[in-house]
Amino acid sequence: AQSVTQLDSQVPVFEEAPVELRCNYSSSVSVYLFWYVQYPNQGLQLLLKYLSGSTLVKGINGFEAEFNKSQTSFHLRKPSVHISDTAEYFCAVRPGSNMLTFGGGTRLMVKP
Amino acid sequence: DVKVTQSSRYLVKRTGEKVFLECVQDMDHENMFWYRQDPGLGLRLIYFSYDVKMKEKGDIPEGYSVSREKKERFSLILESASTNQTSMYLCASSYGELREQYFGPGTRLTVT
Repeated sequence: AQSVTQLDSQVPVFEEAPVELRCNYSSSVSVYLFWYVQYPNQGLQLLLKYLSGSTLVKGINGFEAEFNKSQTSFHLRKPSVHISDTAEYFCAVRPGSNMLTFGGGTRLMVKP
Repeated sequence: DVKVTQSSRYLVKRTGEKVFLECVQDMDHENMFWYRQDPGLGLRLIYFSYDVKMKEKGDIPEGYSVSREKKERFSLILESASTNQTSMYLCASSYGELREQYFGPGTRLTVT
């Protein structure tokens, strides 16, 4: 069975500062990795995904994530955040063709 | 654009009532999913369907059932609502095994 741990439930940060949202997973097989964002009162939207190839993945809205197989991590980063990035972010893991397993979510709060 | 719609954004029901949550997607996707979202727990899969009239249990199917009579529509049924089913319910759809899931806006269900 696989599990996903998002180490921070809330991350407060000032506008234009860099941010890293941490995600670790456990799985006995190779995985596909995803980050989703949920803006207030909306459904989830895909930010980026890692299926294979380069371990540095670029997504929408200036976000990127790096897959680290040895540390079983898939941390999300942005060099300079905006107020509009305030949202909840979910890391998800998909081992092979099985269903997605989501982490508990990290609430990013960008302050002016 | 892919559109996944859910019949209600907010719903209040009484304990013991039968509750229907409807989800419709307009992109001819094979796969449809029902999740519930609770603070700190992320999204947990209730049921999914990979074809009309086909369904598979997810991680937390107890107390729920589903129906998929047409490809575009996937219904979640709470046979006898209980207060511990108060939650946000999210529907998603996808095409093929490795494609991203598209989410609806969610239904916030309160059972009193």
